[in-house]
Amino acid sequence: KAGVTQTPRYLIKTRGQQVTLSCSPISGHRSVSWYQQTPGQGLQFLFEYFSETQRNKGNFPGRFSGRQFSNSRSEMNVSTLELGDSALYLCASSVRDRQETQYFGPGTRLLVL
Amino acid sequence: ILNVEQSPQSLHVQEGDSTNFTCSFPSSNFYALHWYRWETAKSPEALFVMTLNGDEKKKGRISATLNTKEGYSYLYIKGSQPEDSATYLCAHQKSNQFYFGTGTSLTVIP
Repeated sequence: KAGVTQTPRYLIKTRGQQVTLSCSPISGHRSVSWYQQTPGQGLQFLFEYFSETQRNKGNFPGRFSGRQFSNSRSEMNVSTLELGDSALYLCASSVRDRQETQYFGPGTRLLVL
Repeated sequence: ILNVEQSPQSLHVQEGDSTNFTCSFPSSNFYALHWYRWETAKSPEALFVMTLNGDEKKKGRISATLNTKEGYSYLYIKGSQPEDSATYLCAHQKSNQFYFGTGTSLTVIP
């Protein structure tokens, strides 16, 4: 069974631009969560989608948004990029939610110049 | 405790030594506690999901215990090997949301 895939793996953008990151979960998984990791910080929760609905949202500004498609693939978008958005963005999928393991993708490393 | 805290932040041990790390989390509204191993340039890999007070889980040389009443979990590695070098993350799950610690970075010296 293929693992969680994320595209692109690396991205360089400039301040003010916007970016879209993609995540394909493991086949059969319906829950997709997004996390941001910056140096010295633990994984910070961005949002979680289940069956195309956002169920939870972390404490991030409205510039960060996401969506999930009917095939469970998910995208996250960051508009008006700031230097502080430079980070590793990870997505994770699970079958449903209850006390289940999340399986992580390799991440997208975003650099904002 | 408001957040998930892990200690120590980093650790260097000799090959063959046994070691352990701590994860502290808020004891209220407990749902589950997850441990992950994250090797450089790879995805975090799930080790354990723990849900019940007193839970003990084992996977090869790695084991974990859980105390939900006092809000802590220990991860033990017996006879550390160089391939155990990684960052070990714990995550406190409340409902559908995961709260991660900053991890313990383990380096096993051959």
